[in-house]
Amino acid sequence: AQTVTQSQPEMSVQEAETVTLSCTYDTSESDYYLFWYKQPPSRQMILVIRQEAYKQQNATENRFSVNFQKAAKSFSLKISDSQLGDAAMYFCAYSAGGATNKLIFGTGTLLAVQP
Amino acid sequence: DSGVTQTPKHLITATGQRVTLRCSPRSGDLSVYWYQQSLDQGLQFLIQYYNGEERAKGNILERFSAQQFPDLHSELNLSSLELGDSALYFCASSTKLDNTQYFGPGTRLTVL
Repeated sequence: AQTVTQSQPEMSVQEAETVTLSCTYDTSESDYYLFWYKQPPSRQMILVIRQEAYKQQNATENRFSVNFQKAAKSFSLKISDSQLGDAAMYFCAYSAGGATNKLIFGTGTLLAVQP
Repeated sequence: DSGVTQTPKHLITATGQRVTLRCSPRSGDLSVYWYQQSLDQGLQFLIQYYNGEERAKGNILERFSAQQFPDLHSELNLSSLELGDSALYFCASSTKLDNTQYFGPGTRLTVL
């Protein structure tokens, strides 16, 4: 069965600095999708970034980028120029794709941003 | 705003009762997913519907059921409620071509 592991329950970063959140996953599939979702105190689940496993190029979305290492089954999120609004719980998620593309989530990393 | 709507936002009820949570997907999305977020279980997939048909089941209790209607909105029915069912219930939707799921704001269920 596929699993997603986030080994950092909490992280802290200074405003304007860069922080990297870690995620590893386990799967025997060759084609799949990986996501980072942000959950601020409002509890809304907000998509941050997605990565298709067949793409070698790392995805980027403004200040957010990923380091996707397929062989190592690693998918880390880098947040550059951290802002107070980035403070939230961040969830890494895996989807096998295809007709049944349920999301399997990690346990989350709570990110604090210090002013 | 993801375009996915869920009602109600909050629901407080007693043990043994039955409730219905409603979800409207983004315009054009045929797939609807239900997830449960609780403190002890984290975020867990419950069930998926695609264009009215059940597509996949996850860790959904027998006391829970769902359906997707012809207008594509979905309802999650929770019956014989127990204290442990207190959680945040999310609905998400996606298109067939794009595996990305967009989440609604969630329904906070409190069972007293």
